[in-house]
Amino acid sequence: AQKVTQAQTEISVVEKEDVTLDCVYETRDTTYYLFWYKQPPSGELVFLIRRNSFDEQNEISGRYSWNFQKSTSSFNFTITASQVVDSAVYFCALSEAGNYGGSQGNLIFGKGTKLSVKP
Amino acid sequence: NAGVTQTPKFRVLKTGQSMTLLCAQDMNHEYMYWYRQDPGMGLRLIHYSVGEGTTAKGEVPDGYNVSRLKKQNFLLGLESAAPSQTSVYFCASSYGTLPLEQYFGPGTRLTVT
Repeated sequence: AQKVTQAQTEISVVEKEDVTLDCVYETRDTTYYLFWYKQPPSGELVFLIRRNSFDEQNEISGRYSWNFQKSTSSFNFTITASQVVDSAVYFCALSEAGNYGGSQGNLIFGKGTKLSVKP
Repeated sequence: NAGVTQTPKFRVLKTGQSMTLLCAQDMNHEYMYWYRQDPGMGLRLIHYSVGEGTTAKGEVPDGYNVSRLKKQNFLLGLESAAPSQTSVYFCASSYGTLPLEQYFGPGTRLTVT
């Protein structure tokens, strides 16, 4: 069965520290997509990144970077030099191609990690 | 472009009352979704639609009904509200299945007393 686990419920760091948010997924499908979304205190969900199962290259976008490792079924998210504005709940999500009974295209979310960055 | 909008933003219902949440998108997306978000549970899919006139059940469909009469609108109905339906409801839309990037509305906070 498909599943996304974000084991860290809450993380608190001081500004300028680096922080890594963990995401472990389960799927039988060979074609799938992984996502990260940010939910700031205002409540809306903001798309951050999408990665497909055939592309294991790490990605960097400014202070954000993502490490995708199929061998460990992980898609971890690192914020470098964290800032107060990074305070939010971050969700990892999985979308399958539907080859093994899963609903094609539907997002399966982890429970989220609440990041608090203190000044 | 307004993106995805939801009406209302807040609502308080009494047990047994009914209501409809409206989601509208102006991006010409085929797919639309309704999620609920509860503390410590992440987002869970209630119902979704792959096109005008079609709907399908998600992970937690019981107690809800949906309709997609127009491509740009997706309605979520509660026929007889229960306290267990107190939650924040999010609507989302996307161009299609894969690659799938969903755009979310601002959410509706519903309290059932």
